[in-house]
Amino acid sequence: EPEVTQTPSHQVTQMGQEVILRCVPISNHLYFYWYRQILGQKVEFLVSFYNNEISEKSEIFDDQFSVERPDGSNFTLKIRSTKLEDSAMYFCASRGVTSVLSEQYFGPGTRLTVT
Amino acid sequence: GNSVTQMEGPVTLSEEAFLTINCTYTATGYPSLFWYVQYPGEGLQLLLKATKADDKGSNKGFEATYRKETTSFHLEKGSVQVSDSAVYFCASRGDAGNMLTFGGGTRLMVKP
Repeated sequence: EPEVTQTPSHQVTQMGQEVILRCVPISNHLYFYWYRQILGQKVEFLVSFYNNEISEKSEIFDDQFSVERPDGSNFTLKIRSTKLEDSAMYFCASRGVTSVLSEQYFGPGTRLTVT
Repeated sequence: GNSVTQMEGPVTLSEEAFLTINCTYTATGYPSLFWYVQYPGEGLQLLLKATKADDKGSNKGFEATYRKETTSFHLEKGSVQVSDSAVYFCASRGDAGNMLTFGGGTRLMVKP
């Protein structure tokens, strides 16, 4: 069964450093998402991406964040200058286009720890 | 905006016990409703969904009914197993079909 994959599974970085979280969505999907979950809190929407541009973003997704689909398979989330409060589990998801009701498939997540 | 509220955990049950995890939502329009499950060390997996009022989603013995009058989507299972131990997330998605709004998650622990 096709699945969304994410790398790395755990990333430790120092405050102020740039990080790139990588995702490989399901191959025929065209809608892509990033969510995050701070420990003990809700899963929160960050951004959605379609047709090589951001289609929706939340207040969390400020200028420190960016997304890119650099090739036909990867979907990345970059945090330019990490802060302690960026420590969270980051989930990538993708969705097909067969129906607006089609489900989002989630990856296993990347745990980001900012020290 | 949309929001989802679910009961806090952890919920600890013995095997074969009946499970209910409450979920209520606020939304404009007619959202679709979902339950996702997260097993230890894994990502979020869709457990079941319902797209309109009175729909019942079901999967693996779990079920939930979309109740518009009470804005609820409670998750139930008649007889839980140890393997059901996981974190369960209720979520809604608006008419535009884009972002999901999640509840806080409920950890279920089933003891043999």
